[in-house]
Amino acid sequence: ETGVTQTPRHLVMGMTNKKSLKCEQHLGHNAMYWYKQSAKKPLELMFVYSLEERVENNSVPSRFSPECPNSSHLFLHLHTLQPEDSALYLCASSLRTGTDRYEQYFGPGTRLTVT
Amino acid sequence: TQLLEQSPQFLSIQEGENLTVYCNSSSVFSSLQWYRQEPGEGPVLLVTVVTGGEVKKLKRLTFQFGDARKDSSLHITAAQPGDTGLYLCAGSSRAGTALIFGKGTTLSVSS
Repeated sequence: ETGVTQTPRHLVMGMTNKKSLKCEQHLGHNAMYWYKQSAKKPLELMFVYSLEERVENNSVPSRFSPECPNSSHLFLHLHTLQPEDSALYLCASSLRTGTDRYEQYFGPGTRLTVT
Repeated sequence: TQLLEQSPQFLSIQEGENLTVYCNSSSVFSSLQWYRQEPGEGPVLLVTVVTGGEVKKLKRLTFQFGDARKDSSLHITAAQPGDTGLYLCAGSSRAGTALIFGKGTTLSVSS
């Protein structure tokens, strides 16, 4: 595997379900990100992990819970979601070296539908 | 709040035409990236520009960073159906910790 992978690619869940999204990067990066992409909206940054520590949480509801066990893996745990949470969830990674070039490499995304 | 405005929002052209899309902000960015995203997939990084006035070429795509590092443009020469997709610009700031994305330009090239 190369680049950034995400599983599952598609997920349909009820509002009372609990599920998890998985992201894995094979680029040797030290930062990982979760984004939400909805129709007609810019990409919304949800969480940032740098060296496995959460450094940013953009007022995301607690029904979304991230986990970063190591620099290569990132999870997004989902519970009691709402229909408006249906979106494409994208994972990205980058190399944060203290410079200003935050080039991010994205996975293919998980298309989430909440029924 | 830093914002990136992209224009046009939608563009539909014929194969062989030239086009330019724009990315503008009132804020200064230390670097700016352009991505292309196809339906159902994640954005793919095309280029990063870091120096004011910088011009980079990627085959038929020409990217320019404004002198003041507040704006950027993407010019495509002789567009092909394979160029169809959502083009996103994203900027990083010395003060920020993550990229700021524009809403994107949806390009459709028909043969």
